[in-house]
Amino acid sequence: TAGITQAPTSQILAAGRSMTLRCTQDMRHNAMYWYRQDLGLGLRLIHYSNTAGTTGKGEVPDGYSVSRANTDDFPLTLASAVPSQTSVYFCASSGSSGRDTGELFFGEGSRLTVL
Amino acid sequence: GQNIDQPTEMTATEGAIVQINCTYQTSGFNGLFWYQQHAGEAPTFLSYNVLDGLEEKGRFSSFLSRSKGYSYLLLKELQMKDSASYLCAAMDSNYQLIWGAGTKLIIKP
Repeated sequence: TAGITQAPTSQILAAGRSMTLRCTQDMRHNAMYWYRQDLGLGLRLIHYSNTAGTTGKGEVPDGYSVSRANTDDFPLTLASAVPSQTSVYFCASSGSSGRDTGELFFGEGSRLTVL
Repeated sequence: GQNIDQPTEMTATEGAIVQINCTYQTSGFNGLFWYQQHAGEAPTFLSYNVLDGLEEKGRFSSFLSRSKGYSYLLLKELQMKDSASYLCAAMDSNYQLIWGAGTKLIIKP
């Protein structure tokens, strides 16, 4: 069972370059999320999508963009990477927009280093 | 502002019991979550509380007091595999999750 898949697992990127982190889920979940996790901080929401065709900004959206063309895919793009975007990125999905139990299913994470 | 507080690190002995506390301040409240995260891995769901009281699930139990803005995760009969970070998250009135920084639990033999 695949669940939710992220790629790449890790990446080193030069500052100023663009990068897309891919996220695909096969659970037919409506809601999808991108978080970043930094040492000593809680997970911070970058962008989210409650359903295909819609997206919203989270707590730390600057420097990132997303799209949700279909139910399964939710890519995250860094248009011009900066060192402060060095982090572990987690994609997650839930079976609703979070209005019931809102259990999140996470991908394995993408470790991004911007030099 | 919205805030979640939990201890940074705790140490316990294999076979013992440990309680990880979490206090929260959110704009509205729609439930409290606990997730487990092993080093280098993704968080996985442990529990959800929306009503006051204790929810038991095997060796793990979670408690909520809405009036106190307080929750705890209780782990019994600790095993070495329980060494992980435990993340507390509260859902606000907009159904957004506010996450704590996590409690790293170290289990010693």
